[in-house]
Amino acid sequence: GENVEQHPSTLSVQEGDSAVIKCTYSDSASNYFPWYKQELGKRPQLIIDIRSNVGEKKDQRIAVTLNKTAKHFSLHITETQPEDSAVYFCAASNGGSYIPTFGRGTSLIVHP
Amino acid sequence: EAEVAQSPRYKITEKSQAVAFWCDPISGHATLYWYRQILGQGPELLVQFQDESVVDDSQLPKDRFSAERLKGVDSTLKIQPAELGDSAMYLCASSYTTGRNEQFFGPGTRLTVL
Repeated sequence: GENVEQHPSTLSVQEGDSAVIKCTYSDSASNYFPWYKQELGKRPQLIIDIRSNVGEKKDQRIAVTLNKTAKHFSLHITETQPEDSAVYFCAASNGGSYIPTFGRGTSLIVHP
Repeated sequence: EAEVAQSPRYKITEKSQAVAFWCDPISGHATLYWYRQILGQGPELLVQFQDESVVDDSQLPKDRFSAERLKGVDSTLKIQPAELGDSAMYLCASSYTTGRNEQFFGPGTRLTVL
């Protein structure tokens, strides 16, 4: 089955800095890669996703890149703000059955 | 905005007791997922339904866990008997169908087994 590794487990940045979270996956058949943000005590919420037919996707301060050859994808947050502080999860799945496998999460702390 | 509903939000039980969790997905969503999230880890899929049929339950500990979605709408996850290691957050999610991948999560049920 699929195995998703996520790094780092904790990331501490100053407000205004950029943050990068990286994930690798093992199943070459995976073709859908979502990222979720989970604030303390709240439900995970989708913030951005990417499919295997594109290499990069942007949404305001958030971007995701995908390298299918190397089987890794990354989340980039620019101009970080304190409200970006949360746990971020990556996931990978085969779009046919969509049985997702999640990474262990990255706790992002943005210091004012 | 429609949301996935779950109840109860919190459940404390003693080991060897039975517990049940309920989930009501967003109206029109054919696919429903139950996840277990241990503190500090990502959600782990327990079971996936497409309408009333189980698509995948390979990670569901079937000796003590059961899940059903009889009419293809709401769903119940049961644990009998509960063990100390079952303490976790149980998340339900739904999506329009397996071909439309965005999942919407419910608020979860925090289970504590004493």
